[in-house]
Amino acid sequence: RKEVEQDPGPFNVPEGATVAFNCTYSNSASQSFFWYRQDCRKEPKLLMSVYSSGNEDGRFTAQLNRASQYISLLIRDSKLSDSATYLCVVFVSNDYKLSFGAGTTVTVRA
Amino acid sequence: ETGVTQSPTHLIKTRGQQVTLRCSSQSGHNTVSWYQQALGQGPQFIFQYYREEENGRGNFPPRFSGLQFPNYSSELNVNALELDDSALYLCASSLGSYNEQFFGPGTRLTVL
Repeated sequence: RKEVEQDPGPFNVPEGATVAFNCTYSNSASQSFFWYRQDCRKEPKLLMSVYSSGNEDGRFTAQLNRASQYISLLIRDSKLSDSATYLCVVFVSNDYKLSFGAGTTVTVRA
Repeated sequence: ETGVTQSPTHLIKTRGQQVTLRCSSQSGHNTVSWYQQALGQGPQFIFQYYREEENGRGNFPPRFSGLQFPNYSSELNVNALELDDSALYLCASSLGSYNEQFFGPGTRLTVL
C-alpha cells in the first residue's frame, strides 16, 4: 500500500467554481501534513501546512482527519492560475522524510 | 537570500554510466534532502543530509549515494545507471529536519 494516495483527477473546472479533493495516508505515526503545488516541469512549492483544527489561507481551506487518516484541500472561486498539480505531503519525524502523493491535477478553464 | 540551485539542469547518460548531480542549499540552511520524481509520480525520498551526515534514507539501492560539504552544498551520485533512473531529481534544503523544505528547480536525467 502506498504511503500517501491521491485521486489523480484531472479536475476540470470553470473559473469561479469550487473544487475539493482528498488524500489518504497509511502511517498513523505521521506528524505533519502539507499541500504542495507543482506547476508543469517545475519544482514543488509549499502551498500550506495542514493543522488538526483545519486552516484557511485565502481561497484555500485544508482539513485533517487523523481518525480516518485523510487530508483535504478545497479551493474556492477558482482562478486560471490555480491550474497545477497539488501534492499531498506527509512528514514522519522518525524517518526524517516527506512522503508525497502522486498529485491531483486541477485545470481551471475560462 | 539565495534560493536552492541545482546543476546541471538537464543530463543525458547511457546505461551503466555514473552521474553526479549538485545542489547548493539556501543561505542559512544546514539540511539537504534528495528526491526522485518519475513522470506522473510524486517525488520519492532518496536520502537526507544534516551537517555532512546521512540522516535518513528511502528505499533506494546503495548505488545511490551522496555527500554534503562543510558549506552544506550536496552531491547525489548514481552508479551503474539503469533506464528506470530517468527522472527529475530534486534537492530541497531546510534549517534542520523538521522545518519547511525549499526545493530547487531539479535536474532532469535521461538514461538511454
